[in-house]
Amino acid sequence: DVKVTQSSRYLVKRTGEKVFLECVQDMDHENMFWYRQDPGLGLRLIYFSYDVKMKEKGDIPEGYSVSREKKERFSLILESASTNQTSMYLCATKRRYTEAFFGQGTRLTVV
Amino acid sequence: DQQVKQNSPSLSVQEGRISILNCDYTNSMFDYFLWYKKYPAEGPTFLISISSIKDKNEDGRFTVFLNKSAKHLSLHIVPSQPGDSAVYFCAAAQGAQKLVFGQGTRLTINP
Repeated sequence: DVKVTQSSRYLVKRTGEKVFLECVQDMDHENMFWYRQDPGLGLRLIYFSYDVKMKEKGDIPEGYSVSREKKERFSLILESASTNQTSMYLCATKRRYTEAFFGQGTRLTVV
Repeated sequence: DQQVKQNSPSLSVQEGRISILNCDYTNSMFDYFLWYKKYPAEGPTFLISISSIKDKNEDGRFTVFLNKSAKHLSLHIVPSQPGDSAVYFCAAAQGAQKLVFGQGTRLTINP
C-alpha cells in the first residue's frame, strides 16, 4: 500500500511565524502536490513538484514556498503565517496517468 | 479561474436509488479524469478514473461517463448505500502532472 505521511494532524501557530508542513511518501512517485481545502472552494492547488528540486506554482502560490530536496519528501513553507492561511492542508503523490494518493491532512490554525 | 466545476454543493438521495454527481471542465488539454471521496478529517480516497480516449469506465457500483464535446463528466453510484455519504470531488489532470480539483459535492444517502 502507498503510504503518504504528513508530519502533523493539527497545528496552531501565531501570526507571523514561519511554518513548515512536511510530507513523506514511500512509493517512489515522481509527482507530489500540496493542496488546501476550504469550505465551498474545494481542493486548491498550491504547488506541485514533478522531480527532485523541481517545482511549479499551482493556482494559489502566494504566501507559500516549497522544497523538494529528496524524492520522497515535499515540504510546504508558510514564510509568515497569516490568519487567512488557516485551512486543511493536504499532500498528495502520484505517478503519471495514475491516481493520486493523499495523506491524512494537517489542520492548521493561525491565531 | 475555476477550471473544474461542480455546480451542485449538495445532493440527497434515497438508499437503493441512483446517485448522479456532475462535473464540468473548461481546459480541453485535460486528458485524465478522476473521482475522489472524502470523509471529514481524512484525506480524499480514490474511487474511479477515466482517460480522455474513453467515454465510460465501470467499477462495481461506480460508473464514470465522459462527454468530451460538452466538457462534462459524471459519476453514477448504483445502488446508493448509507456508507456512500461523503463529499465527492472530481479532478482533472493535464500532461500527467498537474491535478486540479472541483469544489466538491456533499452526497447524503437517506435510509
